[in-house]
Amino acid sequence: AQTVTQSQPEMSVQEAETVTLSCTYDTSESDYYLFWYKQPPSRQMILVIRQEAYKQQNATENRFSVNFQKAAKSFSLKISDSQLGDAAMYFCAYLSYNNNDMRFGAGTRLTVKP
Amino acid sequence: EPEVTQTPSHQVTQMGQEVILRCVPISNHLYFYWYRQILGQKVEFLVSFYNNEISEKSEIFDDQFSVERPDGSNFTLKIRSTKLEDSAMYFCASRKTGGRGGYTFGSGTRLTVV
Repeated sequence: AQTVTQSQPEMSVQEAETVTLSCTYDTSESDYYLFWYKQPPSRQMILVIRQEAYKQQNATENRFSVNFQKAAKSFSLKISDSQLGDAAMYFCAYLSYNNNDMRFGAGTRLTVKP
Repeated sequence: EPEVTQTPSHQVTQMGQEVILRCVPISNHLYFYWYRQILGQKVEFLVSFYNNEISEKSEIFDDQFSVERPDGSNFTLKIRSTKLEDSAMYFCASRKTGGRGGYTFGSGTRLTVV
């Protein structure tokens, strides 16, 4: 079964600085999706960015970008120019092409210091 | 932007009672999901639903749980004889057919069993 590991329970960044959140996963599949979700204190799950495994180019969404290393099964999220509103729990998630259940990591709590 | 709507946002129930959590998926979406997040833990898959039947379910989704799409718009999760350990955030999600990257989560229902 696929597993997703986020090795950083908590991270902190200074406002306007850059931070990278780590995620690794375990799978024997070659086709899949990877996601980063943001969960603010309201606990809503907000999609930040997604990556399709067959695409070599790293996904970017404004200040958010990923470093997708398929061979290493690594999918880190880089947040540039951090803002106070970026403070939240961030979950990495894996979705297989072959089934429906999205697998989540344990999350990283990001604090942004003014 | 289309949203997945969940009601209520917070429900308190006594142990042993039945609860129904409601979701209105995005209108042109055909795949529906329920996920659960116990406080401080990772998000866990419960069940997926397509073409008016369950397509996949996890080991968590036992006989205590059931899902229904009673009227073509609502998608409900029923929990019979609630237990203290059922206290969690319950997220509904939906996606378009063929759009594996197009998961949209609702804002969640916080269930508290007392």
